[in-house]
Amino acid sequence: KAGVTQTPRYLIKTRGQQVTLSCSPISGHRSVSWYQQTPGQGLQFLFEYFSETQRNKGNFPGRFSGRQFSNSRSEMNVSTLELGDSALYLCASSLQSSYNEQFFGPGTRLTVL
Amino acid sequence: DQQVKQNSPSLSVQEGRISILNCDYTNSMFDYFLWYKKYPAEGPTFLISISSIKDKNEDGRFTVFLNKSAKHLSLHIVPSQPGDSAVYFCAARAYNTDKLIFGTGTRLQVFP
Repeated sequence: KAGVTQTPRYLIKTRGQQVTLSCSPISGHRSVSWYQQTPGQGLQFLFEYFSETQRNKGNFPGRFSGRQFSNSRSEMNVSTLELGDSALYLCASSLQSSYNEQFFGPGTRLTVL
Repeated sequence: DQQVKQNSPSLSVQEGRISILNCDYTNSMFDYFLWYKKYPAEGPTFLISISSIKDKNEDGRFTVFLNKSAKHLSLHIVPSQPGDSAVYFCAARAYNTDKLIFGTGTRLQVFP
C-alpha cells in the first residue's frame, strides 16, 4: 500500500507570493490533517479535513486555507507569504480521525525569501 | 500557549544504555498520549501510545509511563541503539476533540 505523498518536496517563494501544497493520503483514508513544523515550535496543527469538509482548525491566520477533494486528496494554500511561513509542512492521513493512527507524509519544505 | 512541552531539546546516550525522554502537559482534558519518531527528510512515524486510564504501556524496547497527577509522561528506550537516533515528539489529544497537540521535540543521539 502506497504511503502518504506530498508534492512538491521543496519550494522557494518570495514574500507576498502565494503557494499551494498537495497531499495524497493512503488509499481508503478519509481524514487528512496538516501541520507546520518549525524549529522550537514543534508540529503546529493547521486544520483537518474529512469528507471534503474542514472538521478542525488550529490557530493560524486566514492566509492559511485548505480543501479536500472527493478522492480525499487535499491541498493547502498560503497567500501573501511572510518570511515566518518558512517551515516544513506535513500532511497526515488516517482512516476516520486522529483516533485512528495517523500516517505522515515526508513533508514539503517551504522557504520564503 | 504550549500545552505540551518537551523541555530538553536534545539528549545524548551511549549505545546499550537507557534513553529517557520527558514530556509535560498542562491540559487536564488530555486523555490519550502518543510518541512519534522522526528521521531527517521523513515524516513522523507512530511509536507508542498510552491512554489516561493506564500508567504504563510497553512495546519491545519502548515503554511509556504516564503520571497523571504530575501531568508528566516519559518514554524509556532500553537498550538504546544507534538506529534510535532521531527526533522524538510527544503528542496529546483531549477527549472532546480530534486534534493532536504536539510538543517541540527532543533530538536523541545514540553514540557507540
